[in-house]
Amino acid sequence: ILNVEQSPQSLHVQEGDSTNFTCSFPSSNFYALHWYRWETAKSPEALFVMTLNGDEKKKGRISATLNTKEGYSYLYIKGSQPEDSATYLCALYSGGGADGLTFGKGTHLIIQP
Amino acid sequence: DAGITQSPRYKITETGRQVTLMCHQTWSHSYMFWYRQDLGHGLRLIYYSAAADITDKGEVPDGYVVSRSKTENFPLTLESATRSQTSVYFCASSDQGALSGYTFGSGTRLTVV
Repeated sequence: ILNVEQSPQSLHVQEGDSTNFTCSFPSSNFYALHWYRWETAKSPEALFVMTLNGDEKKKGRISATLNTKEGYSYLYIKGSQPEDSATYLCALYSGGGADGLTFGKGTHLIIQP
Repeated sequence: DAGITQSPRYKITETGRQVTLMCHQTWSHSYMFWYRQDLGHGLRLIYYSAAADITDKGEVPDGYVVSRSKTENFPLTLESATRSQTSVYFCASSDQGALSGYTFGSGTRLTVV
């Protein structure tokens, strides 16, 4: 069973501030890393799929970076807005014939007006 | 409408009963997945399917059975429900397995009494 760790577990940020959080994973057997946003009472929504060391992805005010050699990814939110309040999940695909993702427990982000 | 739908949204069943959770997707995605979400755990993979008639176990398959006779449907059956199977169940689909973002259904909240 792979260990995908996310930190912090929860985070309170003032509206307008920028923030970031971390996903750590075993660096061996890496194939892909996913980020999802999960709003309350909804289903997880895919943000990024990253496969290459040094990858940087951006979607509006949200961006992510990937370091496969040291086993971490950062998710950044610039100028946080109330609608960014959600749980952010990262998930690892390590290949080896099993096609499912292993999810972390998430970072619960609350944007305070 | 295109999408991935799960039914029922809520279900209460008694210990020992058989219950089937349905999942239907309209994109003809090859890959489909079943996850459960419990407090203190990330989403955990129960079973997945890479194509019709191809299924495989995930991290927590015990007590569950799946089938995939048609690409668009991936039902999950609890053969003899136990209280430990009280959970929220999410179905997901993907075009390229774990190399593309998953699209999740709205979830089924199952309570076993």
